[in-house]
Amino acid sequence: GENVEQHPSTLSVQEGDSAVIKCTYSDSASNYFPWYKQELGKGPQLIIDIRSNVGEKKDQRIAVTLNKTAKHFSLHITETQPEDSAVYFCAAKGRGTGFQKLVFGTGTRLLVSP
Amino acid sequence: DTGVSQDPRHKITKRGQNVTFRCDPISEHNRLYWYRQTLGQGPEFLTYFQNEAQLEKSRLLSDRFSAERPKGSFSTLEIQRTEQGDSAMYLCASSFSLGLAGLTDTQYFGPGTRLTVL
Repeated sequence: GENVEQHPSTLSVQEGDSAVIKCTYSDSASNYFPWYKQELGKGPQLIIDIRSNVGEKKDQRIAVTLNKTAKHFSLHITETQPEDSAVYFCAAKGRGTGFQKLVFGTGTRLLVSP
Repeated sequence: DTGVSQDPRHKITKRGQNVTFRCDPISEHNRLYWYRQTLGQGPEFLTYFQNEAQLEKSRLLSDRFSAERPKGSFSTLEIQRTEQGDSAMYLCASSFSLGLAGLTDTQYFGPGTRLTVL
C-alpha cells in the first residue's frame, strides 16, 4: 500500500523567512496530494492541494510543487507569520475503487518566531 | 456553521465500557470518512461510506469497532469493550464525489473527538 514520508519533523524559522516541507510517496498510482494545517486541539484544515496533472499550484503565500517522476511533493510558505505556527501534514490518495483513503505523513511542527 | 461537526468533543471512559461518537458531515456531501490520530502522528484511515454504503474498512478497524451511516446522513462510530490502546483523537471527514472513481474528492475534517480510556 501507499507510504508517505515527511521531512523535517520540526522546523523553526524567523518571521518573514520561507519554510519548505517535503514529502515522498511510494505508490505511483496516487494522483491527489493535499496539505493540511492542524492547530492544537483542532481537526486538520485543508490549505492547498494538487493533482497529478499539474506540477505546481500557488495560493497567495502558499505553493505546492509535485515531481511525479521522483514521487515527491513539497509545500512552500513564503513571508511566514507567527500565525503560521502549527503542525502541517501532507497526504496522498490513489484513484479508483478501493483507494479513497488519504495516507498521511507524520507531520511537521512549524514554529515561526517574531 | 456549515462545516463537519462531531459530538462529543471529549470522552473519558473506563476500560471495558462502550462508547459511541457521532459525525454530521457537510450538507450534501455523499462521502464520509473516519480516521484515528494518535499523539505525534498523522491521521490513519479507518473506514468510509458512500451514501449509506460502507465501502472500505482498514485492518485497524477490529471487531470491536462498528460504524454506521443510516440514510446516508450522519454517521456513528461505536467502540465496544474499550482498551487503553483505543485512546486517540477520532476524526471525521466528508467530501462530495460524482461516483466510486470520483476525481474531485477534497476531504474536509471535523474538530475530532478525543477519547481517553482509563
